Amino acid sequence: DAGVTQSPTHLIKTRGQQVTLRCSPISGHKSVSWYQQVLGQGPQFIFQYYEKEERGRGNFPDRFSARQFPNYSSELNVNALLLGDSALYLCASSLWWNEFFGPGTRLTVL
Amino acid sequence: DQQVKQNSPSLSVQEGRISILNCDYTNSMFDYFLWYKKYPAEGPTFLISISSIKDKNEDGRFTVFLNKSAKHLSLHIVPSQPGDSAVYFCAASPPSGSRLTFGEGTQLTVNP
Repeated sequence: DAGVTQSPTHLIKTRGQQVTLRCSPISGHKSVSWYQQVLGQGPQFIFQYYEKEERGRGNFPDRFSARQFPNYSSELNVNALLLGDSALYLCASSLWWNEFFGPGTRLTVL
Repeated sequence: DQQVKQNSPSLSVQEGRISILNCDYTNSMFDYFLWYKKYPAEGPTFLISISSIKDKNEDGRFTVFLNKSAKHLSLHIVPSQPGDSAVYFCAASPPSGSRLTFGEGTQLTVNP
């Protein structure tokens, strides 16, 4: 069975640009969550979507947005990138409480 | 405020011995707890979980203990193996599910 997949693997952007990250959940999982992991810290919750509706939002600015599609895949968008947005962005899917993570997208903002 | 804390950034253990990783939480609304293992350049891998209605859950070499009154959980790995060397994160979830709050992680090194 395929796990959670994310694309791209790595991305380099400059300040002020916009970025879109993509995620495909495990087959049968209807919930997708996004997390940001800065070096040396644990992942921080950004969004959760379930059946295309936002179920939760973490303490992130409005520059961060997301959506979920009818096939349960998801996109995370970040506008007006700042240097501090450089991080590993993790997508996770779940049936219940256990979140299963993808390999992440490493975003570098220069 | 850090609602989930792992106070030990690193732990070194000999192969075959027990590894004990600790985690404390402050939010009494958390009722489901998980441990993840993370290798560099990979996403966290789910290891084991425990509901607040239990105080112990075991899966092979891994056992998680929950002390609700102390708001403390621990992960025991017995026996430890060199392949267990990774960063271990504890995480907590509210009753609504998902939306995990993670600790800072503990780097476990198991020496041959």
